[in-house]
Amino acid sequence: EDQVTQSPEALRLQEGESSSLNCSYTVSGLRGLFWYRQDPGKGPEFLFTLYSAGEEKEKERLKATLTKKESFLHITAPKPEDSATYLCAVQASQVNFGNEKLTFGTGTRLTIIP
Amino acid sequence: DTEVTQTPKHLVMGMTNKKSLKCEQHMGHRAMYWYKQKAKKPPELMFVYSYEKLSINESVPSRFSPECPNSSLLNLHLHALQPEDSALYLCASSQAQGLAAYNEQFFGPGTRLTVL
Repeated sequence: EDQVTQSPEALRLQEGESSSLNCSYTVSGLRGLFWYRQDPGKGPEFLFTLYSAGEEKEKERLKATLTKKESFLHITAPKPEDSATYLCAVQASQVNFGNEKLTFGTGTRLTIIP
Repeated sequence: DTEVTQTPKHLVMGMTNKKSLKCEQHMGHRAMYWYKQKAKKPPELMFVYSYEKLSINESVPSRFSPECPNSSLLNLHLHALQPEDSALYLCASSQAQGLAAYNEQFFGPGTRLTVL
């Protein structure tokens, strides 16, 4: 069974204080790993897709990296508007018609203090 | 355009009511999804449609009935719900190619459902 574990559960940082969020996964063949940002009461907003170990993607203050067992979301010099829950999800590479299922982690609630 | 729209934004219904949630996308995606999300929990998959056919039903109670009238629209019909069904209902879409879908899912803003 595919599993995704995110840590820490919650993280409070001062504005400008860089840190990393972790996503550890167990999947029977990785098709893709996805990072989303979710604000309270809203739908998840797509951030990144990573397909293979060693891959890196960047967007503004965020950088996502991938190894064979985990992914990191690095946040550099965060601002208060970066406060949100960050979700990680994996998709397995089973070739079955209609198998588009994602397995989500429980998320990291990030708070940036001005 | 990576927008998925959902209506209504909020819905309050009694346990004997019948209501429907609607979702629309114009990205040419052929896979569409319904998720249920409780507070401080990740989205929980309910249904997947691929090429307008139901491909995954995660053992959802029959009081939830999905429908995919065409490749752009997805409905969720609600009947005789329970208070514990109150949650944020999210629609998403993605590319679906060949025998297996790939690529990222794009989510709508959700419908906040309250069952009294």
